[in-house]
Amino acid sequence: QSALTQPASVSGSPGQSTSISCTGTSSDVGSYNYVSWYQQHPGKAPKLMIYDVTKRPSGVSNRFSGSKSGNTASLTISGLQTEDEADYYCSSYTSSSTLVFGGGTKLTVL
Amino acid sequence: QLQLQESGPGLVKPSETLSLTCSVSGGSVSTSGYFWGWIRQPPGKGLEWIGSIYNSGSTYYNPSLKSRVTISIDTSKNQFSLKLSSVTAADTAVYYCARHGGSYNWNQNNFDYWGQGTLVTVSS
Repeated sequence: QSALTQPASVSGSPGQSTSISCTGTSSDVGSYNYVSWYQQHPGKAPKLMIYDVTKRPSGVSNRFSGSKSGNTASLTISGLQTEDEADYYCSSYTSSSTLVFGGGTKLTVL
Repeated sequence: QLQLQESGPGLVKPSETLSLTCSVSGGSVSTSGYFWGWIRQPPGKGLEWIGSIYNSGSTYYNPSLKSRVTISIDTSKNQFSLKLSSVTAADTAVYYCARHGGSYNWNQNNFDYWGQGTLVTVSS
């Protein structure tokens, strides 16, 4: 059982927007702005998409954005493209001095 | 361009120690402010942070693995290593090394450069 809860799957059509939620507690997501999101294609290493809740690394499309409200963080992908189809993981620092990941969400672009 | 590459045995026997090394090129493990970590992913499952190290040798471990994990760094060879003792089948996973930080905060979980990963199977 993962420390952070994500939906197992989400889907969307090309050009649409979709969001993936990441629910934690007041001991992790709710207390720290150290939330990050990773994209992982099959057989590949994860790729950092968002860090510090809202920051986007250089080279990551501005179609990807992050936010947080209370104990829940969200990744929003606008203008869905077929290459966005992948697994997405959230991560947070916790008050137990550890880094935890969510269980992952499979995004299907229909 | 920073590159990380994991190396080590792909098969380890139960109760033995898993040992992996991450070689860094195109940059230095001594770069101030950055931390070097290990993350694993069991087949078909999610990611798990194992631990991280700074160039000073300061280490940060996942409490659930702390009793079995040792991470070390060799700045002269520009590499860092993972040892996981008393392995069982549950330790079978793809093991990744990655860089994070940049602001001297080890808890900044922005793993921006990753190795390709190496599958380690625990089996007799």
